[in-house]
Amino acid sequence: DSGVTQTPKHLITATGQRVTLRCSPRSGDLSVYWYQQSLDQGLQFLIQYYNGEERAKGNILERFSAQQFPDLHSELNLSSLELGDSALYFCASSVGSGDLGETQYFGPGTRLLVL
Amino acid sequence: AQSVTQLGSHVSVSEGALVLLRCNYSSSVPPYLFWYVQYPNQGLQLLLKYTSAATLVKGINGFEAEFKKSETSFHLTKPSAHMSDAAEYFCAVIAVRDSNYQLIWGAGTKLIIKP
Repeated sequence: DSGVTQTPKHLITATGQRVTLRCSPRSGDLSVYWYQQSLDQGLQFLIQYYNGEERAKGNILERFSAQQFPDLHSELNLSSLELGDSALYFCASSVGSGDLGETQYFGPGTRLLVL
Repeated sequence: AQSVTQLGSHVSVSEGALVLLRCNYSSSVPPYLFWYVQYPNQGLQLLLKYTSAATLVKGINGFEAEFKKSETSFHLTKPSAHMSDAAEYFCAVIAVRDSNYQLIWGAGTKLIIKP
């Protein structure tokens, strides 16, 4: 158990809908990262928040957005969902701002299925 | 630009045999390299990391990896495979993008252990 929690574990929805994924980092960690893992794209970094502020952006679509709240939990919002958004979405956390060599601790993931 | 190549999407070894998972990287900065493991239906867990200290890095569960700058490699090994090692293994390198650090991931290698 990494100490990172994600809810829900599974989500099934329809195309065009909007969903929110939630992540609670390990106690004391200030950074939260979001990743998408799919069969065709592999593991892709989406976005990082550090202490409430956006820190780094990866391959995140404009239909997706995230935020980190004062209690450091984070939410990833996915809107206008398409079939291709079906994937496993991971959240990870780290103690600092993501400096070189800093370990990221991963949650168990949310499996999203868009029908 | 930084990138990671993992040779072999699937590697099959017999229980008790040597495990060798290959990872080659390209990096324009001194590399920081990671190996993560993903067990079925779970999140990713750090196995080990190289942060420019000793070139031979020991990790959890008997795994180790050797950083070879001349070969731009960071291969993962374990002397004797156990059935419990069956999982997917990901190599990652730190990249600098827009003055921030991001993990760039390999495509993963599924390790299959034959009884």
